[in-house]
Amino acid sequence: GAGVSQSPSNKVTEKGKDVELRCDPISGHTALYWYRQSLGQGLEFLIYFQGNSAPDKSGLPSDRFSAERTGGSVSTLTIQRTQQEDSAVYLCASSLSPGQDAYEQYFGPGTRLTVT
Amino acid sequence: AQKITQTQPGMFVQEKEAVTLDCTYDTSDPSYGLFWYKQPSSGEMIFLIYQGSYDQQNATEGRYSLNFQKARKSANLVISASQLGDSAMYFCAMRYNAGGTSYGKLTFGQGTILTVHP
Repeated sequence: GAGVSQSPSNKVTEKGKDVELRCDPISGHTALYWYRQSLGQGLEFLIYFQGNSAPDKSGLPSDRFSAERTGGSVSTLTIQRTQQEDSAVYLCASSLSPGQDAYEQYFGPGTRLTVT
Repeated sequence: AQKITQTQPGMFVQEKEAVTLDCTYDTSDPSYGLFWYKQPSSGEMIFLIYQGSYDQQNATEGRYSLNFQKARKSANLVISASQLGDSAMYFCAMRYNAGGTSYGKLTFGQGTILTVHP
């Protein structure tokens, strides 16, 4: 079956512009996560969705970052007024249920964001 | 707060030999899960193996096994009979539990780059 997909795969933007990153989770996966991978910070959790609600936004680095999920499926991560330190690979992952022990997270291929 | 430590930035192994990648963790939560992921140069994150904190036996998945030593808070990955395709970055991760609710978010170590020589 189809895995987690993300678009675009690469995005180059100018400092100060807004960007939207999209994630299509595996069908039926209720839990959706956004992570960021950068050279200096490694892999960091950003936000977690259960259905359309986000009970954990603790990893969002600033109020320039926001995310939503609609229909319990597609999620969009929005970064406003991008800064050079936002350059990173943004990874989306989904899983069946966060409360079950062995349900691993399936990751998408990521979006590489470069802010110039 | 959870913390994962991978002390080996890089490891080298000869093809067909076994290699151990180290991972230690710190948590005050009695219920947690430990994961290993592989990230090849293509960038995708590939799930390898899982160990629950209450599991009595070490997890195994094919050539991968997890050496779980709970008292030492270590969860080392053992890859047997290394193959050239095993060359990649390997991440250890802990599933985060928030009180009685498991949100499932992962805390990752810094990763270990494994290079398999022919």
